Amino acid sequence: EAQVTQNPRYLITVTGKKLTVTCSQNMNHEYMSWYRQDPGLGLRQIYYSMNVEVTDKGDVPEGYKVSRKEKRNFPLILESPSPNQTSLYFCASTDGPNNEQFFGPGTRLTVL
Amino acid sequence: AQSVAQPEDQVNVAEGNPLTVKCTYSVSGNPYLFWYVQYPNRGLQFLLKYITGDNLVKGSYGFEAEFNKSQTSFHLKKPSALVSDSALYFCAVMWAGSYQLTFGKGTKLSVIP
Repeated sequence: EAQVTQNPRYLITVTGKKLTVTCSQNMNHEYMSWYRQDPGLGLRQIYYSMNVEVTDKGDVPEGYKVSRKEKRNFPLILESPSPNQTSLYFCASTDGPNNEQFFGPGTRLTVL
Repeated sequence: AQSVAQPEDQVNVAEGNPLTVKCTYSVSGNPYLFWYVQYPNRGLQFLLKYITGDNLVKGSYGFEAEFNKSQTSFHLKKPSALVSDSALYFCAVMWAGSYQLTFGKGTKLSVIP
């Protein structure tokens, strides 16, 4: 089954404790992206990657890092999480910028 | 900077009536336009897109949208609403040559039985 998976699905952590949210797709897509969803703000793009070793900032990259060492994986790293990063995070992939994006199920992160 | 607006936070419609969810975008270059739907506690699902060609595009679940260049709009429509259409709908835009997808804030659609 074609899918995007994210782990963990739910995470509660404390300020400053480094964490990684994994994202993996099995569709051989070149393009992957991370978004955060906040009430009243919709989805905002954090980072995107056009291919292995090629990443770029989206609209809200501050406080986040990403890496793309393999085509299928695109982890999101929060080196020192803060409460304002409490949000619902989605990973997505597509085979082209003008094609539909396939979204993962989401990761709900709470930073205390 | 590119932007997209969904002017209505919530739309209520009676089951069986036509529905419209509005979307407008800022003018700059040639846009790729998308609609996605999010059901409670789920990720986003693709509904339809406009890239080029016919201004009226048809998508999943009986939805359609019309690209209007002069009004910079891409409103989502369905002739007859179902209760199961109740969800959060997002319009998104990507400019040709860009890899950044910008979403609207979303419109909550409630279909009343």
